[in-house]
Amino acid sequence: DADVTQTPRNRITKTGKRIMLECSQTKGHDRMYWYRQDPGLGLRLIYYSFDVKDINKGEISDGYSVSRQAQAKFSLSLESAIPNQTALYFCATSDSTPPGSYEQYFGPGTRLTVT
Amino acid sequence: DAKTTQPPSMDCAEGRAANLPCNHSTISGNEYVYWYRQIHSQGPQYIIHGLKNNETNEMASLIITEDRKSSTLILPHATLRDTAVYYCIVRVDGTGGFKTIFGAGTRLFVKA
Repeated sequence: DADVTQTPRNRITKTGKRIMLECSQTKGHDRMYWYRQDPGLGLRLIYYSFDVKDINKGEISDGYSVSRQAQAKFSLSLESAIPNQTALYFCATSDSTPPGSYEQYFGPGTRLTVT
Repeated sequence: DAKTTQPPSMDCAEGRAANLPCNHSTISGNEYVYWYRQIHSQGPQYIIHGLKNNETNEMASLIITEDRKSSTLILPHATLRDTAVYYCIVRVDGTGGFKTIFGAGTRLFVKA
């Protein structure tokens, strides 16, 4: 969905390096999310933010940090990348009130490989 | 949020209806049933959601049993482009935000 963009789309990095994944949205949504997906598995929530001053941990936040720079931008950082953080990462947004709040919009994903 | 159980995979012939089941026996009265799909490694795409009544939109129909313990997503005329992983999720209404994880889903193969 072009309304949610992620950069980079692919990244290969070495163990111990710091890396940032960026997400931008033009939908005007308050809520943004970061998920990771491992091969053959569903998506697991890393962090979420319901507005610019709100940051919450998800199911698997260890080893990750986030920054909500603006309503439209939500970045995910790996402070010291390790191989088991190799995965497909998705950013998503949603509105805060019905009926828009019933749907979540996902970005195209960032494929991260840590060697 | 309630857990869901879905078959890991299903086949469907092109042009036929695809019926994807989902069990959610512990669903609460204020939890909605949502369906998303993920084509290849793209971001998941919203399909439909419902609370009690059956719902239909341009993509699919959602049938929820009277006791709400299970539901079925119906793609009325499956095409090869409907080959994807389909996720059934139950959660409180959208005002709470999407804090749930997506399970492994059902991998639907539509065959010519």
